[in-house]
Amino acid sequence: QSALTQPRSVSGSPGQSVTISCTGTSSDVGGYNYVSWYQQHPGKAPKLMIYDVSERPSGVPDRFSGSKSGNTASLTISGLQAEDEADYYCCSYAGSYTWVFGGGTKLTVL
Amino acid sequence: EVQLVESGGDLVKPGGSLRLSCAASGFTFSDAYLNWVRQAPGKGLEWVGRIKGKNDRGTTDYAAPVKGRFTISRDDSKNTLYVQMNSLKTEDTAVYYCIWAARRGGYYFDYWGQGTLVTVSS
Repeated sequence: QSALTQPRSVSGSPGQSVTISCTGTSSDVGGYNYVSWYQQHPGKAPKLMIYDVSERPSGVPDRFSGSKSGNTASLTISGLQAEDEADYYCCSYAGSYTWVFGGGTKLTVL
Repeated sequence: EVQLVESGGDLVKPGGSLRLSCAASGFTFSDAYLNWVRQAPGKGLEWVGRIKGKNDRGTTDYAAPVKGRFTISRDDSKNTLYVQMNSLKTEDTAVYYCIWAARRGGYYFDYWGQGTLVTVSS
């Protein structure tokens, strides 16, 4: 099972929007709507930010949104804030009760 | 409040064994789908395996790199999750997180522990 492909880094200024892509295959991202996104600050455990491709758990700001087209999922963060600076990981169900993560993207708020 | 507290991380030699524990509270443990996810130092996340709740007979699933070497189990009387790791390799070095997949179907990693570090080195 190969890891999903994410850009290693993205950046944006406060108030701007950034989008992080997550590319898989028809066996994972493209085959199921079980895509999620996690935010991880340094030294901390990851936090669920998006599930079911585009749903936000309670307490996650609506600045965070998710989408999917074919084998690629995307996380968009609008109105960037300093506290959004973190690593972001996508994850997809890959069938046969297995899961695969992306390699992670470091978001820098300039 | 949901709490997941991992323990048991240590330095172990290649080929050795180690058992990690995860003490849980704040939710109905026996029905819970529980996962282990690991993160090698400076690297990304990797799903390790999952155990279903008692209503689903506590069946287990594993990632290919650990299948046959790792065994996930649970003690519902103690609200504790375990992973027995045998034939450890240097590439198993990582922080291991215990996770409750709270949403229906268990497809997402909703609640995470703080992690415990396993170092495999001679």
